[in-house]
Amino acid sequence: DQQVKQNSPSLSVQEGRISILNCDYTNSMFDYFLWYKKYPAEGPTFLISISSIKDKNEDGRFTVFLNKSAKHLSLHIVPSQPGDSAVYFCAASTRDSNYQLIWGAGTKLIIKP
Amino acid sequence: GAGVSQSPSNKVTEKGKDVELRCDPISGHTALYWYRQRLGQGLEFLIYFQGNSAPDKSGLPSDRFSAERTGESVSTLTIQRTQQEDSAVYLCASSLERRWRETQYFGPGTRLLVL
Repeated sequence: DQQVKQNSPSLSVQEGRISILNCDYTNSMFDYFLWYKKYPAEGPTFLISISSIKDKNEDGRFTVFLNKSAKHLSLHIVPSQPGDSAVYFCAASTRDSNYQLIWGAGTKLIIKP
Repeated sequence: GAGVSQSPSNKVTEKGKDVELRCDPISGHTALYWYRQRLGQGLEFLIYFQGNSAPDKSGLPSDRFSAERTGESVSTLTIQRTQQEDSAVYLCASSLERRWRETQYFGPGTRLLVL
């Protein structure tokens, strides 16, 4: 039973446009969400996070939106750059399980020149 | 400074053999995690170490899997009598401590293929 789902295995976006990556979750106890980015042959690197007390968090070109009622979060990248081409993982945790992250399967983002 | 390192980067083994995977965490990080990522899936938690506390082994899929950590340094993940379903990328991560919202830093992983 997947508690964190990324339903799009891949996404192709033109350079300069907005990339929107989506993530859905089923466990209403999740209260902290993270996005990690992974290049081939490297480990995931932390990108941005959001607490459930917020509905938006912004860091430069990256913005994460959280819709708790829909149990949905999204990562927006504006403008998209070639170096953004990577696999993006959504992960979630609860305060009670403060180190165990539940991960989605990832979305491969391809930025076309 | 040096990040998390893992060795070997790739390992091909025959079914039934034992394998040992190594992780060197970031110096000063007390928390260490092992994950497994099967093809097309998300990361699956295996085991967690925090300082000298007893490890959380709740994610280990079977008793063929075990892990050790010496103090706050190197960790080894051992898979005995490997099976084809053990083929995956094994990722190690470390963080400053066990704490809500503490960022985990990952190594590049070990790609294990069991023939």
